[in-house]
Amino acid sequence: DTEVTQTPKHLVMGMTNKKSLKCEQHMGHRAMYWYKQKAKKPPELMFVYSYEKLSINESVPSRFSPECPNSSLLNLHLHALQPEDSALYLCASSQDDRSGGYIQYFGAGTRLSVL
Amino acid sequence: AQSVTQPDIHITVSEGASLELRCNYSYGATPYLFWYVQSPGQGLQLLLKYFSGDTLVQGIKGFEAEFKRSQSSFNLRKPSVHWSDAAEYFCAVVVQGAQKLVFGQGTRLTINP
Repeated sequence: DTEVTQTPKHLVMGMTNKKSLKCEQHMGHRAMYWYKQKAKKPPELMFVYSYEKLSINESVPSRFSPECPNSSLLNLHLHALQPEDSALYLCASSQDDRSGGYIQYFGAGTRLSVL
Repeated sequence: AQSVTQPDIHITVSEGASLELRCNYSYGATPYLFWYVQSPGQGLQLLLKYFSGDTLVQGIKGFEAEFKRSQSSFNLRKPSVHWSDAAEYFCAVVVQGAQKLVFGQGTRLTINP
């Protein structure tokens, strides 16, 4: 099973709301990733967690706050977002991130609209 | 800096015709290369990968890709496309010790019946 599950599938929020995106995998992977994808563009890396520790933050604004409570779960907490943050948010996981030889498996994404 | 270029933004082919999607990379060392496919509103599905060894790699759904070091290319091919192949295709390379997957801009494939 190579499934990465993301919830919710769709989310609409106002600029003053606080919401969270959830990502789960049960493949025993130790690296998890958040990507942001705007329409007609490739995914852009936001965060990487390696063995439950944040290893990469691609200068993402603080209104996005990642959390990795355990090796199977990755959250992205959202607060005071802007309309330009509307996008498809993709989660991915890989067996490890310490070698290029591991495949990243992607979830179906959460379509976020900020009003 | 490492980069991936997909020269074709949009390609249209007839159902049953052959397909080749181009990908060029810029990377100093031996790259790890991937092709992913994304249907509208969906996540990315891995089609195939190249790490080392045989430069012609087979993937899912009848796709194959050939790694050519001399041309810094990793082109995706399929001998006969099906209407269900209509999607966005991304070429990607892993950089910086594997923590970063860098994507090309993508090629949108349209299939004419």
